[in-house]
Amino acid sequence: AQSVTQLGSHVSVSEGALVLLRCNYSSSVPPYLFWYVQYPNQGLQLLLKYTSAATLVKGINGFEAEFKKSETSFHLTKPSAHMSDAAEYFCAVRAHYGGSQGNLIFGKGTKLSVKP
Amino acid sequence: DARVTQTPRHKVTEMGQEVTMRCQPILGHNTVFWYRQTMMQGLELLAYFRNRAPLDDSGMPKDRFSAEMPDATLATLKIQPSEPRDSAVYFCASGLEGQGAGLFFGSGTQLSVL
Repeated sequence: AQSVTQLGSHVSVSEGALVLLRCNYSSSVPPYLFWYVQYPNQGLQLLLKYTSAATLVKGINGFEAEFKKSETSFHLTKPSAHMSDAAEYFCAVRAHYGGSQGNLIFGKGTKLSVKP
Repeated sequence: DARVTQTPRHKVTEMGQEVTMRCQPILGHNTVFWYRQTMMQGLELLAYFRNRAPLDDSGMPKDRFSAEMPDATLATLKIQPSEPRDSAVYFCASGLEGQGAGLFFGSGTQLSVL
């Protein structure tokens, strides 16, 4: 079975500081991993995804994530936080059912606050 | 700009009433998912369709919830009778089958059952 764990339900950074949101996964098969962002009163928007190509994945809005198999991690980073990055971020892994792909299994989310 | 459309955006109803939520997936997508989001449980899968056929609805309370895809452009989620514990945001998402494919989410239906 697949699962993801996001460390820290709330992260606060200053504008211009590094953003690091942590995600660890558990999967018995090679995982497909995703980061989504949710702004208030909106649906989830895909930031980036890992699909077994390059281990360093670049996404929208300057975010990137690195797949580390040895650490079972897929942490999300951004070198310099912007006020507009304040949102909730979800890590997700694609489920596998008997060889066929299934739904996304989401972590509990990390709310990012950015201080001026 | 292709997007998943959900209606209504907000719904307030009384306990015991029927609630119907609708979703128009992105044209050409062959998978549709219904998720429920609450503070306590986070995002939970309710139902999953591929090529309009239900594949997984194990997350859905069968006695009161039902999900259907009458055609490729419409997915519905019904609750009958509704209960206060059903209050949540319900999201529809669509995608293309493929292990690396992401999902595209609608803006959700915020349901309040009084």
